[in-house]
Amino acid sequence: DSGVTQTPKHLITATGQRVTLRCSPRSGDLSVYWYQQSLDQGLQFLIQYYNGEERAKGNILERFSAQQFPDLHSELNLSSLELGDSALYFCASSPGTSYEQYFGPGTRLTVT
Amino acid sequence: GIQVEQSPPDLILQEGANSTLRCNFSDSVNNLQWFHQNPWGQLINLFYIPSGTKQNGRLSATTVATERYSLLYISSSQTTDSGVYFCAVVMKTSYDKVIFGPGTSLSVIP
Repeated sequence: DSGVTQTPKHLITATGQRVTLRCSPRSGDLSVYWYQQSLDQGLQFLIQYYNGEERAKGNILERFSAQQFPDLHSELNLSSLELGDSALYFCASSPGTSYEQYFGPGTRLTVT
Repeated sequence: GIQVEQSPPDLILQEGANSTLRCNFSDSVNNLQWFHQNPWGQLINLFYIPSGTKQNGRLSATTVATERYSLLYISSSQTTDSGVYFCAVVMKTSYDKVIFGPGTSLSVIP
C-alpha cells in the first residue's frame, strides 16, 4: 500500500457526461500528479500540482481540469466525455517537486 | 522531441533466469524512476535513481546519466515478476513534465 488513495475504483458513464475523480496523497506529500493510461497511448502525464498551485502541465485536454485543495487532496474533472476517454487514471504524490513518486491504485473509467 | 525508449519491448523468461532491461533517454534528467505494473494494474515503485547504482533484493538498477541510459537487472526471476516495467523521467529541459517510456512486458514462466 503506497498510502495514496483514489476514489472511485471503477466508474461507468455515458458519452457527454462529466465525472470527478478524487485523490488523497500520502501524509506530508505536497505534490500530486495525474496520469492517464490507455491501451493505445500508454502512460501519459496530465498535470502536477504542488501545494495548491499548478506546477506542470502535460497532455491534458481542455475538457479536463484539476485542482488541489487546501487539505492537499486533488480532484480531476473530466467533462463532455468521449469513448476515447475510457482509461485507467492514476494519481501519484511526492514530498516536493523533484522527488520519488508513489502511485495510487487508479480509477478505471469506462465511457459507453 | 524528447524521447524515452525501452528495450526489449517483450521478454519471456524461464523461472530462475536473469534479465536486463534498458531505458534510453534523449536529454539530461533530473529524476528517473523504475516501476513495475503488475497484472492487476498496480504501479509499484522499484527505484528512484537519477544517477548511480541501487540494489533491493533480487533487483538492482544503474543509471549512467552522462550516457543517458538506465538499466534494471532482475536476477533469479520468479513468476511474480511478470508484468510491465516502466521507466519514467523528468528531463532538465521539460519543465517538470514526467515522461514514461513505452514499457517492457515481462512474462516469467514456471
